[in-house]
Amino acid sequence: EAGVAQSPRYKIIEKRQSVAFWCNPISGHATLYWYQQILGQGPKLLIQFQNNGVVDDSQLPKDRFSAERLKGVDSTLKIQPAKLEDSAVYLCASSRDLPAEQYFGPGTRLTVT
Amino acid sequence: GENVEQHPSTLSVQEGDSAVIKCTYSDSASNYFPWYKQELGKRPQLIIDIRSNVGEKKDQRIAVTLNKTAKHFSLHITETQPEDSAVYFCAASSNNDMRFGAGTRLTVKP
Repeated sequence: EAGVAQSPRYKIIEKRQSVAFWCNPISGHATLYWYQQILGQGPKLLIQFQNNGVVDDSQLPKDRFSAERLKGVDSTLKIQPAKLEDSAVYLCASSRDLPAEQYFGPGTRLTVT
Repeated sequence: GENVEQHPSTLSVQEGDSAVIKCTYSDSASNYFPWYKQELGKRPQLIIDIRSNVGEKKDQRIAVTLNKTAKHFSLHITETQPEDSAVYFCAASSNNDMRFGAGTRLTVKP
């Protein structure tokens, strides 16, 4: 089966600019996760969707981050405006059910200058 | 919410020796405990997982043990090989969240 797809793979922006990331999960996977992984740290869950509903967004900085999964398939994560500390790899993952093995995408490496 | 602590942060072993990484969790509702291996610049990959109704699980050179009462679980790698060198993450999950440990950088010296 095809894996989790993410784009873009790399993005460089200046602080206060906006950026959006896209994720296409594995077909049939109801659960989709967005993680932020800062260099040298473990992945930090930002938001978790079950189909098109939000299950957990307790660690999402809602003043600048937003995410949606309108049709229960693809998802976008947006940062507006970006700060220097947002520099990280943004990983998308999906799983068939809750809780179950998560399959990670290749990630988007964001650099904020 | 869940809080996961992982130790040690770095671990260096000689090829052929065993490696043990330990994690503790705080939420008694957590019922799924995966372990991921992440090589430099790559995505995390699941290597083994265990659910709360099982105390131990083994897959070739890798085993995981779970102590629900003490809220801790461990990863055991036997007969380590240089290709086992990577960062290993534990995680704990209930139906509503997933929390990762900070990671252990394992180095296997040939």
